[in-house]
Amino acid sequence: KQEVTQIPAALSVPEGENLVLNCSFTDSAIYNLQWFRQDPGKGLTSLLLIQSSQREQTSGRLNASLDKSSGRSTLYIAASQPGDSATYLCAVDQGGSEKLVFGKGTKLTVNP
Amino acid sequence: GAVVSQHPSRVICKSGTSVKIECRSLDFQATTMFWYRQFPKQSLMLMATSNEGSKATYEQGVEKDKFLINHASLTLSTLTVTSAHPEDSSFYICSAPWRPTDTQYFGPGTRLTVL
Repeated sequence: KQEVTQIPAALSVPEGENLVLNCSFTDSAIYNLQWFRQDPGKGLTSLLLIQSSQREQTSGRLNASLDKSSGRSTLYIAASQPGDSATYLCAVDQGGSEKLVFGKGTKLTVNP
Repeated sequence: GAVVSQHPSRVICKSGTSVKIECRSLDFQATTMFWYRQFPKQSLMLMATSNEGSKATYEQGVEKDKFLINHASLTLSTLTVTSAHPEDSSFYICSAPWRPTDTQYFGPGTRLTVL
């Protein structure tokens, strides 16, 4: 059974800092991995999707990497801003079923 | 990007009543949609897969008679929580895959509180 773990559970940084969020998964036979952002009491916003054949994806200040063999992904946020404060969720699609297995998320606070 | 809506965003009901939640894909068709549940400080857990024109498939431990799913059109799936109890209080959220990119788009969620 696939399990997804995110470390740290919470992170507080000053504005402008670069930071890395970690995600690990137990079963490397994934179809893709997706990073989401969730604001309090809100739905999920898709940030980046990495296919199993890819190593990384970039969007603006965000860069996500994937090392499938070791079961790890990282989300790198450059020059963090207070507006980046949210919970970041990592999810894997097992075998192309489109069913996602989520981690518990990392709650990020960027202080002005 | 693709947009998924949910209605209502928040509902409070008495124990024993039924509550219907709607999930719509606004600008694309979705033959499949997914329903998740999120308890406080927990990760999202998949409840069921909604299939247009056929029966939903439920994850292990999810009661199909309690959580009725109907996917009557290519843009609408509904989840009905029947005979709701306080332990059903949770955040319910749906998603639909946009096949050109494999990206899952999520609705804004529905906060259900059962008194």
